[in-house]
Amino acid sequence: DGGITQSPKYLFRKEGQNVTLSCEQNLNHDAMYWYRQDPGQGLRLIYYSQIVNDFQKGDIAEGYSVSREKKESFPLTVTSAQKNPTAFYLCASNGGRGWSNQPQHFGDGTRLSIL
Amino acid sequence: ELKVEQNPLFLSMQEGKNYTIYCNYSTTSDRLYWYRQDPGKSLESLFVLLSNGAVKQEGRLMASLDTKARLSTLHITAAVHDLSATYFCAVASPNSGGSNYKLTFGKGTLLTVNP
Repeated sequence: DGGITQSPKYLFRKEGQNVTLSCEQNLNHDAMYWYRQDPGQGLRLIYYSQIVNDFQKGDIAEGYSVSREKKESFPLTVTSAQKNPTAFYLCASNGGRGWSNQPQHFGDGTRLSIL
Repeated sequence: ELKVEQNPLFLSMQEGKNYTIYCNYSTTSDRLYWYRQDPGKSLESLFVLLSNGAVKQEGRLMASLDTKARLSTLHITAAVHDLSATYFCAVASPNSGGSNYKLTFGKGTLLTVNP
């Protein structure tokens, strides 16, 4: 089945450590997105990518980095510069034929906590 | 900067009752999405509203869009316990370069349907 796979489901970070969250999609979508969700809050856009080797900052990019070397993959690195990384991270994608009429599809998320 | 406001943020209903969730947004957009999130889970797409006057219905939920008033509503008819979840509206704005869109989310409405 086509979909978006995020891993790991749970992740713990030590002080001063970088961690990388994986997002893979087999939907053949061009655009991919990373969102952060804090308890009781809506989603906020971290980074997005419309095509391979291109990405743009969202509303809260500081302390995060991404890469888009393959169409299927859009990993997110939470760097030590992100002082409050504890959150639920969601990856999404959309694109393909009729993309403008389609919703973004979401993965199951990664829950990141500070040790 | 696009701002999206949902109200109410918390809604406790009795089974069988009707209610409406409101989503207001601050700048012009002709596309709005409604999502559902169960506790600890990802987001599930409910409705895609693509033009002024659009109305979509699925079961006990009906969504509408008024782009002139910058308002969308999600109406719940004869609520049942299974509808208990958090509901988000999200408003589309063009990505840089305009080849796709990015979403700005409201904070969500936590709906609890009581027997």
